[in-house]
Amino acid sequence: ETGVTQSPTHLIKTRGQQVTLRCSSQSGHNTVSWYQQALGQGPQFIFQYYREEENGRGNFPPRFSGLQFPNYSSELNVNALELDDSALYLCASSSNRGIDEKLFFGSGTQLSVL
Amino acid sequence: EDQVTQSPEALRLQEGESSSLNCSYTVSGLRGLFWYRQDPGKGPEFLFTLYSAGEEKEKERLKATLTKKESFLHITAPKPEDSATYLCAVQVSGGGADGLTFGKGTHLIIQP
Repeated sequence: ETGVTQSPTHLIKTRGQQVTLRCSSQSGHNTVSWYQQALGQGPQFIFQYYREEENGRGNFPPRFSGLQFPNYSSELNVNALELDDSALYLCASSSNRGIDEKLFFGSGTQLSVL
Repeated sequence: EDQVTQSPEALRLQEGESSSLNCSYTVSGLRGLFWYRQDPGKGPEFLFTLYSAGEEKEKERLKATLTKKESFLHITAPKPEDSATYLCAVQVSGGGADGLTFGKGTHLIIQP
């Protein structure tokens, strides 16, 4: 059984650029959610995808967008990067559409915006 | 607005010295309360889910309890490998996929 994998592990961008982060969910899981974790803070919910559709969103602006593919892997896209977007971005998968939130997290992508 | 507050922010214990971490929450309706462990450079790792007041769950040296306003994570005779940040999170009832609301965590250090 493979776990949740994220790529890249680290990324440096400049303000105004766009970034795409990738996530492969755990085998058998059809739900993927994304979280942002700033230094010293708990993770904050960005959005969730179930069977290729967004079915829940936190308090993040539209420049944060995502995709889920037929194999349940996912992408997080962030446009017009701001300095405050610097954080650890965590992907989590689960097997039940937001009902049982026993989440399996990847190790994250550390994004630095300069 | 749903809120989760964890205390203390940091805790340093000697090996074998038992203690408790606190998670207080304010939500419109609790579906479940979750405890996760996070090691440096890693994503959170699931520990427990609690659903109703009075519920308790145990795993090795950890025991989680739940009341109507707070949850405790009791650590009995901890070892250095228990050092980590412990995160509490809530999911509210209401049917929507609103994700989890996390606290800031308690950074636990166990000294040999």
